[in-house]
Amino acid sequence: DAKTTQPPSMDCAEGRAANLPCNHSTISGNEYVYWYRQIHSQGPQYIIHGLKNNETNEMASLIITEDRKSSTLILPHATLRDTAVYYCIVRVGGGGADGLTFGKGTHLIIQP
Amino acid sequence: DAGVIQSPRHEVTEMGQEVTLRCKPISGHNSLFWYRQTMMRGLELLIYFNNNVPIDDSGMPEDRFSAKMPNASFSTLKIQPSEPRDSAVYFCASRPGQGRGSNYGYTFGSGTRLTVV
Repeated sequence: DAKTTQPPSMDCAEGRAANLPCNHSTISGNEYVYWYRQIHSQGPQYIIHGLKNNETNEMASLIITEDRKSSTLILPHATLRDTAVYYCIVRVGGGGADGLTFGKGTHLIIQP
Repeated sequence: DAGVIQSPRHEVTEMGQEVTLRCKPISGHNSLFWYRQTMMRGLELLIYFNNNVPIDDSGMPEDRFSAKMPNASFSTLKIQPSEPRDSAVYFCASRPGQGRGSNYGYTFGSGTRLTVV
């Protein structure tokens, strides 16, 4: 029951902005969009999340369309260390003790 | 904060042996999760606990798998007997308790790479 659709892989040049798209056309009103990434041989790492407004933190920016059916994660100045698998996850917000459901994600490769 | 601590980092065992994976969550986190990752199936949620109580173990593949959380600072995932198809990376994650309007990220450990030969 995949709730999100992501391209399997993307390339980006080092120093450029990496824009990772995610489609979530069946998102419900109380569901948030979360982004995690997994660098090779490490556990997944939380990046950012949002409901409907655009969000920015020290790692990335999250742009959510007005209809909330898609979003874009932006890494403003990609470095080689940003090479990882990026997961877009939709889940109900407000806390809760349930686990995350991971899809296949996007394998982002930063080229020197 | 040392983060979520898992041990061992690597485990190689023979088929039929008992394997115990360990996890220490971040202090103060109320929820703990066990995941398994393989190339074929990706990241799968096995079981999760809230306030040390198992909430949902529907992801546990077989009765050979069991998990316990005797206190807030320790959890184990046991496989008995182990089989080659159990070879995978097992991750533990924790997150703080819920509150009105809260949305907390999950913190994952570095994982245990299990190889059953």
